[in-house]
Amino acid sequence: GAVVSQHPSWVICKSGTSVKIECRSLDFQATTMFWYRQFPKQSLMLMATSNEGSKATYEQGVEKDKFLINHASLTLSTLTVTSAHPEDSSFYICSANRGMNTEAFFGQGTRLTVV
Amino acid sequence: GQNIDQPTEMTATEGAIVQINCTYQTSGFNGLFWYQQHAGEAPTFLSYNVLDGLEEKGRFSSFLSRSKGYSYLLLKELQMKDSASYLCAVKDSNYQLIWGAGTKLIIKP
Repeated sequence: GAVVSQHPSWVICKSGTSVKIECRSLDFQATTMFWYRQFPKQSLMLMATSNEGSKATYEQGVEKDKFLINHASLTLSTLTVTSAHPEDSSFYICSANRGMNTEAFFGQGTRLTVV
Repeated sequence: GQNIDQPTEMTATEGAIVQINCTYQTSGFNGLFWYQQHAGEAPTFLSYNVLDGLEEKGRFSSFLSRSKGYSYLLLKELQMKDSASYLCAVKDSNYQLIWGAGTKLIIKP
């Protein structure tokens, strides 16, 4: 089956530094990938839609200059949290679909802790 | 606006049956998904309904009524490992997934 791999699984960083999270589709090409954030005991919140070869589409309230998304190839999207602050600490998850009417496959998620 | 409603929390007994309901109001419909999410992990796919009726997959079944904007996930022969959050999600007319807040299912011995 389709597999989406996300790296790293967890990261601790200092306030003010930047963190890059990678999302790879391992056995299919994904022109579109999705980045979510999930706070404890809350549901998934879509942050942005990553489009291969073009700019990402951000949801309302998500700062595009803070959460940089790059989708340089059909199998890789990256999310960079710039100048991280403790309030950015969260569970970040990426997903991709093999086709429009298929289920979303999720990466393992990245637990970010900013200290 | 778009909205998906499901109960916040449910409790059931090991070996029993539980039904988790989901109602939705979305701009268009291109399928309904159920996912399971254990604490601290990413969601995993359980089922997909696009036509009315019941889809059965082992101990799990999912039902859809498009005219009522309603779905349920039925879990039979509950096991302790079924303790998790169950997320209902609908693809709207733009094929964007709209997520419910999830139902936390607690299984007691």
